[in-house]
Amino acid sequence: DAGVIQSPRHEVTEMGQEVTLRCKPISGHNSLFWYRQTMMRGLELLIYFNNNVPIDDSGMPEDRFSAKMPNASFSTLKIQPSEPRDSAVYFCASSPRTSGINNEQFFGPGTRLTVL
Amino acid sequence: QKEVEQNSGPLSVPEGAIASLNCTYSDRGSQSFFWYRQYSGKSPELIMFIYSNGDKEDGRFTAQLNKASQYVSLLIRDSQPSDSATYLCAVNPGRGGYNKLIFGAGTRLAVHP
Repeated sequence: DAGVIQSPRHEVTEMGQEVTLRCKPISGHNSLFWYRQTMMRGLELLIYFNNNVPIDDSGMPEDRFSAKMPNASFSTLKIQPSEPRDSAVYFCASSPRTSGINNEQFFGPGTRLTVL
Repeated sequence: QKEVEQNSGPLSVPEGAIASLNCTYSDRGSQSFFWYRQYSGKSPELIMFIYSNGDKEDGRFTAQLNKASQYVSLLIRDSQPSDSATYLCAVNPGRGGYNKLIFGAGTRLAVHP
């Protein structure tokens, strides 16, 4: 079975442009997570969804960031307008369970975003 | 105090030795604990998880949990150069019955021949 799929794998854009990152979770998984990883701040949870419903968006840095999950097999993370400090690797992860203690998460390959 | 703390390393061990990676957490109500391995330029991959006090073994890996002391560790036996990576500790805080994980900053492990 395919793992978590993310696109694009690399994105280079200029400051002020809109950026849209895409994620397809593992089929049958009910939770989806968006993370950002930088050397300075490590792996940070931005937002997560259970059964397509946003549960916790407290990690979203500011209003420039938004995320949607219109159905169980697709999610987007949008940055508008983008800024150089948004440069990072963005990971999407999915989990088969929405609660419980053995809620392991499986990560996609990530999108490396560079904002010039 | 960070919620999940790890020594950033690098932890350098010779090939064939036991590597010991440690993690402490601040929320005493945390329920389950995960170890991920991340190679440079790659995504985190799950090694194992533990939720009961004591040891849990999986091949060359052993996770140890001590809830009273609020620490979890990962032992890698017979370390190989291919084990050289950053190891991330993640904690499920368990609040509200939801399933988010809080990650530590990771410990970089270097296994030298």
